[in-house]
Amino acid sequence: AQRVTQPEKLLSVFKGAPVELKCNYSYSGSPELFWYVQYSRQRLQLLLRHISRESIKGFTADLNKGETSFHLKKPFAQEEDSAMYYCAPQDTGANSKLTFGKGITLSVRP
Amino acid sequence: NAGVTQTPKFQVLKTGQSMTLQCAQDMNHEYMSWYRQDPGMGLRLIHYSVGAGITDQGEVPNGYNVSRSTTEDFPLRLLSAAPSQTSVYFCASSYDSGTGELFFGEGSRLTVL
Repeated sequence: AQRVTQPEKLLSVFKGAPVELKCNYSYSGSPELFWYVQYSRQRLQLLLRHISRESIKGFTADLNKGETSFHLKKPFAQEEDSAMYYCAPQDTGANSKLTFGKGITLSVRP
Repeated sequence: NAGVTQTPKFQVLKTGQSMTLQCAQDMNHEYMSWYRQDPGMGLRLIHYSVGAGITDQGEVPNGYNVSRSTTEDFPLRLLSAAPSQTSVYFCASSYDSGTGELFFGEGSRLTVL
């Protein structure tokens, strides 16, 4: 069965510390992978996608096909990064649904 | 450009009552979907639609109905509300089902007593 796992519910770090939000997936084939973010009192929004290989707000995500992981990383956390983060794999092909992990709350303390 | 608009933002129901959560988008998106967000459960897909006249079930469809008579609107109906349906509901749309970039509404917080 297709499955996505975010093993931690909460990560609390100090400002300037590195951040790694973990995501593991179990999918047949090669899914496309996304990270979504929900800041306080804002809409859920796309943060970045694997296929574009971009860095958004200092975050990057490396796809490791061998470990089937797509961890989100940032070298120096900022207070404004505090939010809920969701990993979301999607099957390729027509009518493919996006599946969300359970999410992790990142808290960055001053 | 309003994007995805959900109404109401808050609602309290009694067990057994019915209601409809409204969702409208003005981006001419073909794909629309409803999720519920519960603590510790993440976002779970209730129903989705790949175009007007076409709907399908997601992961947790029981107790909910949808229809898609126009491209713009995708209402979610609770037929007989139960306390287990207390949740935050999100409507989302995208250009098509394959892009993966969903645009979300602000959410509707529903409490069933």
